[in-house]
Amino acid sequence: NAGVTQTPKFRVLKTGQSMTLLCAQDMNHEYMYWYRQDPGMGLRLIHYSVGEGTTAKGEVPDGYNVSRLKKQNFLLGLESAAPSQTSVYFCASSDGFQPQHFGDGTRLSIL
Amino acid sequence: TQLLEQSPQFLSIQEGENLTVYCNSSSVFSSLQWYRQEPGEGPVLLVTVVTGGEVKKLKRLTFQFGDARKDSSLHITAAQPGDTGLYLCAGAPNFGNEKLTFGTGTRLTIIP
Repeated sequence: NAGVTQTPKFRVLKTGQSMTLLCAQDMNHEYMYWYRQDPGMGLRLIHYSVGEGTTAKGEVPDGYNVSRLKKQNFLLGLESAAPSQTSVYFCASSDGFQPQHFGDGTRLSIL
Repeated sequence: TQLLEQSPQFLSIQEGENLTVYCNSSSVFSSLQWYRQEPGEGPVLLVTVVTGGEVKKLKRLTFQFGDARKDSSLHITAAQPGDTGLYLCAGAPNFGNEKLTFGTGTRLTIIP
């Protein structure tokens, strides 16, 4: 049982480049989330999904897009990376009434 | 946006000492969770409290939810080096756990 798996674990981008972060969960959870974690700021919600084919904005959605084409996968895209998007990104899943399960994060640096 | 402030932000104590970490907000939460996060890993849930005044114990860790459901505390007795980590509180504004609001975190270091 892998739980929540994030790929890649590390990535370095140049300003203006694009990339997609993949999150996969094997717990059949309806809800999936993308957070970013920055020093002294806790975790902030970027986007979330309450089911396959649905997405919604969180607290800090600007500069990011997401897709939930399959229930087990939640993709986070950066169309034109900016240095302010340097962060550690965490994906989480839940069934809405249970605690959230987190992946181990993707460390992203934008030069 | 509901904000959760944690204090202290950093805490470094000797093994065997006791400590308390606080999580405060001006907003009411239906439930509150505590997580511990170790370097290179995601947060791991420790406990969920749902009733005002509720106290839960997990071995040497004692969690309390304020009567008004606006604040919480985590007390560790006889701290061990394995307790080292980043402690995060997170509040749920509605029934269920979607769209949690996370606190700013307390980085705890236990010195052997």
